[in-house]
Amino acid sequence: NAGVMQNPRHLVRRRGQEARLRCSPMKGHSHVYWYRQLPEEGLKFMVYLQKENIIDESGMPKERFSAEFPKEGPSILRIQQVVRGDSAAYFCASSPSDIGNTEAFFGQGTRLTVV
Amino acid sequence: GENVEQHPSTLSVQEGDSAVIKCTYSDSASNYFPWYKQELGKGPQLIIDIRSNVGEKKDQRIAVTLNKTAKHFSLHITETQPEDSAVYFCAASINGNQFYFGTGTSLTVIP
Repeated sequence: NAGVMQNPRHLVRRRGQEARLRCSPMKGHSHVYWYRQLPEEGLKFMVYLQKENIIDESGMPKERFSAEFPKEGPSILRIQQVVRGDSAAYFCASSPSDIGNTEAFFGQGTRLTVV
Repeated sequence: GENVEQHPSTLSVQEGDSAVIKCTYSDSASNYFPWYKQELGKGPQLIIDIRSNVGEKKDQRIAVTLNKTAKHFSLHITETQPEDSAVYFCAASINGNQFYFGTGTSLTVIP
């Protein structure tokens, strides 16, 4: 059973471009969470999705950021018109159901660098 | 919302000694408390967790304690080894929707 797969591992974008980060949850997991980590800081919650539904996006900036988890395929975190402040590591976690009852497992992350 | 505080931010111990990392949380509704270990350039790895109906849990050299009344929980690593060196994060979960993470503890085990 493969773990949570994120790609790409590293992504470089120029200011103003779009960044697309992908997350394939563990097999059997229907819940996906996205977190952002700035250098030497903790993980900040961004968004929680189930298949085809956004459950909680309270941590995601209202502008330029969007997330989806379609019925088929990976979850996508999309950042439009990137700025230097978007440079960070973005981690995805998945769980089979609500975290309160089961563990969540993280992927290796995508390190976004905006130049 | 939930606020998780973690101390210390850095910790150095001699190999073989114990390490203790402490976290507090603010929302009494939190009911799940995992601990993650993050090595450089990697994603957080779940190492142990505890639920609010349990006061203590142990897995070999790692143990976690939870005091619901005081709203704090701690990670204990005994007989530390150099490979324990990493950043450790505590987290609290409310309603199963998201984690609230502490700011991390950088543990260095000195051989």
